[in-house]
Amino acid sequence: QLQLQESGPGLVKPSETLSLTCTVSSGSISSSSHYWGWIRQPPEKGLEWIGSIYYSGSTYYNPSLKSRVTTSVDTSKNQFSLTLSSVTAADTAVYYCARLKLEGDFDYWGPGILVTVSS
Amino acid sequence: DIQMTQSPSTLSASIGDRVTITCRASQSISRWLAWYQQKPGKAPKLLMSKASTLESGVPSRFSGSGSGTEFTLTISSLQPDDFATYYCQQYESYYTFGQGTKLEIK
Repeated sequence: QLQLQESGPGLVKPSETLSLTCTVSSGSISSSSHYWGWIRQPPEKGLEWIGSIYYSGSTYYNPSLKSRVTTSVDTSKNQFSLTLSSVTAADTAVYYCARLKLEGDFDYWGPGILVTVSS
Repeated sequence: DIQMTQSPSTLSASIGDRVTITCRASQSISRWLAWYQQKPGKAPKLLMSKASTLESGVPSRFSGSGSGTEFTLTISSLQPDDFATYYCQQYESYYTFGQGTKLEIK
């Protein structure tokens, strides 16, 4: 059973950069049939897609966040990563990594990591 | 941007009830729609894709229908494990989620 696990700091200061990594286990990140994505959920709110990446490094991002988002992939470690720059309190959320089927639905999710933006 | 609107926002129902949640898209998304179930403190779980294709292991009491701009998720006979928040998601153009429908015990 494929597993994903987010890791990174739980607290980030305003104006700094949020960095998270997702480690994929019991499966290969180099699957030709899937992308990998990041989704976030502010406390007591809904879900927002942030961006997605293919094992080749091809990326695409939510237009509303594109100027601040970068994703990367490390196939040797079976990991992919997210950086979000110039964070504010509005970026406080649970961040999920997930596997994205080519058609566009997210079939496996990590448990999520709460990132709080505060000084 | 394609906006997704779910109704109702909250739904109170009893064990054994048949319930329906509606999801409307701001423009046609064909059948590029998924439904998720989320329980408190947990990640969303994919229930179905392409509007009506159930994921493996999802009980048959869940069903989906619709195309274009209007979609429904129906639970034929509510079980205790079904009380959760449900989200729709379009994947016609990028990915956007509905605001969620919280299914509560009456």
